Amino acid sequence: DVKVTQSSRYLVKRTGEKVFLECVQDMDHENMFWYRQDPGLGLRLIYFSYDVKMKEKGDIPEGYSVSREKKERFSLILESASTNQTSMYLCASSLFPRAHYGYTFGSGTRLTVV
Amino acid sequence: AQTVTQSQPEMSVQEAETVTLSCTYDTSENNYYLFWYKQPPSRQMILVIRQEAYKQQNATENRFSVNFQKAAKSFSLKISDSQLGDTAMYFCAFMKPADAGNMLTFGGGTRLMVKP
Repeated sequence: DVKVTQSSRYLVKRTGEKVFLECVQDMDHENMFWYRQDPGLGLRLIYFSYDVKMKEKGDIPEGYSVSREKKERFSLILESASTNQTSMYLCASSLFPRAHYGYTFGSGTRLTVV
Repeated sequence: AQTVTQSQPEMSVQEAETVTLSCTYDTSENNYYLFWYKQPPSRQMILVIRQEAYKQQNATENRFSVNFQKAAKSFSLKISDSQLGDTAMYFCAFMKPADAGNMLTFGGGTRLMVKP
């Protein structure tokens, strides 16, 4: 069974901390994505990557950065966590160019910044 | 930029009945893909059904079917014979295939409660 694994299900961090959210997929997918999910706003794209060491900004990249050193791993970094970054974070992956078959999602990391 | 709107934040339905979730989108593209994803309390997003814009026939997957109206830019999801396990958040999503990375744009979601 194909999988996208997010390292933490729940995370509590302090304001100003540097936070790493890790995502690993075992499907040899080219594309990987980080979304943020907030009530009423749905999922909003933070960053995506279509190849190793390649990254593109999504709709809400401010306050975030990403790293993709290996094809299977895509990390989201909060350089200095703030309370407005308290949210659910979802990682996903897809084939390229057959992304229209759909994404495979991880189970999410619920991050609370205090 | 594409936008996806789900006008029903919450809905409820009795077990075994039929419910329809609404979704509209805005795009100037002619070729694209539309999706419905389900997010149960476990938080695992599951693809329910997908539609290719160039296909006129509405997609169907078992109890789930869509009503795709391209001219109206409407993509509603019908769930027949609702089951308790259908209780979840449902997200409508749009993909423009020519986009680098093939990004999905999501609506705000509809929380569906199936009552026994």
